Amino acid sequence: GQSLEQPSEVTAVEGAIVQINCTYQTSGFYGLSWYQQHDGGAPTFLSYNALDGLEETGRFSSFLSRSDSYGYLLLQELQMKDSASYFCAVRFTSGGYQKVTFGTGTKLQVIP
Amino acid sequence: DTGVSQNPRHKITKRGQNVTFRCDPISEHNRLYWYRQTLGQGPEFLTYFQNEAQLEKSRLLSDRFSAERPKGSFSTLEIQRTEQGDSAMYLCASSFGQGVDNEQYFGPGTRLTVT
Repeated sequence: GQSLEQPSEVTAVEGAIVQINCTYQTSGFYGLSWYQQHDGGAPTFLSYNALDGLEETGRFSSFLSRSDSYGYLLLQELQMKDSASYFCAVRFTSGGYQKVTFGTGTKLQVIP
Repeated sequence: DTGVSQNPRHKITKRGQNVTFRCDPISEHNRLYWYRQTLGQGPEFLTYFQNEAQLEKSRLLSDRFSAERPKGSFSTLEIQRTEQGDSAMYLCASSFGQGVDNEQYFGPGTRLTVT
């Protein structure tokens, strides 16, 4: 089966940098995605890593180490609107089909 | 394009009743996914379609659940003989891809409450 672990809650100060870690166990691994979800809203895609290294998109960066089965999401210059839940999701193949499993999410609270 | 839409947004039903939800994906997207999400949890995969073919169905999906995507456009998710444990947010997502796709666009969800 698949399993993902990420911290349940993180608190950070406005303007600071925060890193949300995700470790996973799965066979047939393809890549790791990150999604943001505000309370009452739908998940929205942030980033995807299929290869080792860092992907940067504005204030958000995502990192993957396939050998360590580990990734993280880095949020810089935190803003109050970044308060949300962040989910890592592994994409893998099983039985010839692509599948995806989401983690349980990290609730980020940005404080003034 | 207005994105992925889902109807209804909220549904309250009594235990034992049948319910049906609809998802309209982004028009050019060939893949459509259904997820279930409960409070404090991530989306749980239920099933997905590539065009009109249902390619995968989670073991979470009991035989009370059925999904269709006629003509490869909109999709419906039906739950028969609802139980209180079915209360959740049901999310639909769509994407475009022939191989490995990485970005899914989610709809606003249908919140189901079974009383």
